[in-house]
Amino acid sequence: ILNVEQSPQSLHVQEGDSTNFTCSFPSSNFYALHWYRWETAKSPEALFVMTLNGDEKKKGRISATLNTKEGYSYLYIKGSQPEDSATYLCALTDSWGKLQFGAGTQVVVTP
Amino acid sequence: EADIYQTPRYLVIGTGKKITLECSQTMGHDKMYWYQQDPGMELHLIHYSYGVNSTEKGDLSSESTVSRIRTEHFPLTLESARPSHTSQYLCASSELGQGRDTGELFFGEGSRLTVL
Repeated sequence: ILNVEQSPQSLHVQEGDSTNFTCSFPSSNFYALHWYRWETAKSPEALFVMTLNGDEKKKGRISATLNTKEGYSYLYIKGSQPEDSATYLCALTDSWGKLQFGAGTQVVVTP
Repeated sequence: EADIYQTPRYLVIGTGKKITLECSQTMGHDKMYWYQQDPGMELHLIHYSYGVNSTEKGDLSSESTVSRIRTEHFPLTLESARPSHTSQYLCASSELGQGRDTGELFFGEGSRLTVL
């Protein structure tokens, strides 16, 4: 089982501020990394799937970077809005093609 | 928008009862999964299927069982519920890719089970 660690566990952000948080994983045998957003009472939704070292992906105000050599990915939220409040999950594809999830970073954006 | 549905969303039941959590998807996906999550913890894979009549146990041991008789349907059953089964259960599906799959998962909204 892969060890996928996310930090911080939770963070509070003032509306309009930018923020970022981390997903760390073993750098050996990397195949793919996923980011999901999970809003309360809804289903997790995929944000990004990243496979190449140095990948950068963007969706609106949210972007992610990937460093497979050192084993980390950052997720950035620019100009946070209350609707960005959610738990952000990182997951790694293991050697069997299954996803191993981290415990998530809970983001609360206050007006 | 994903078309994957779970019922019931919430279930409170007594010890010893048999329960079935339903999961259906209308996207024609071959791969389906069941994850279990306790509060503040990771999603843990408990069962998966690569297609009809295919079922495998996941990384986390579970007393539940699953079946895959139809592509769109992947129910999870607990023959005799216990308080230790209290948890949230999430169903997901993805397209069947070649080799190790990098395809995204589409999740249902979850079934929150409480066993008294």
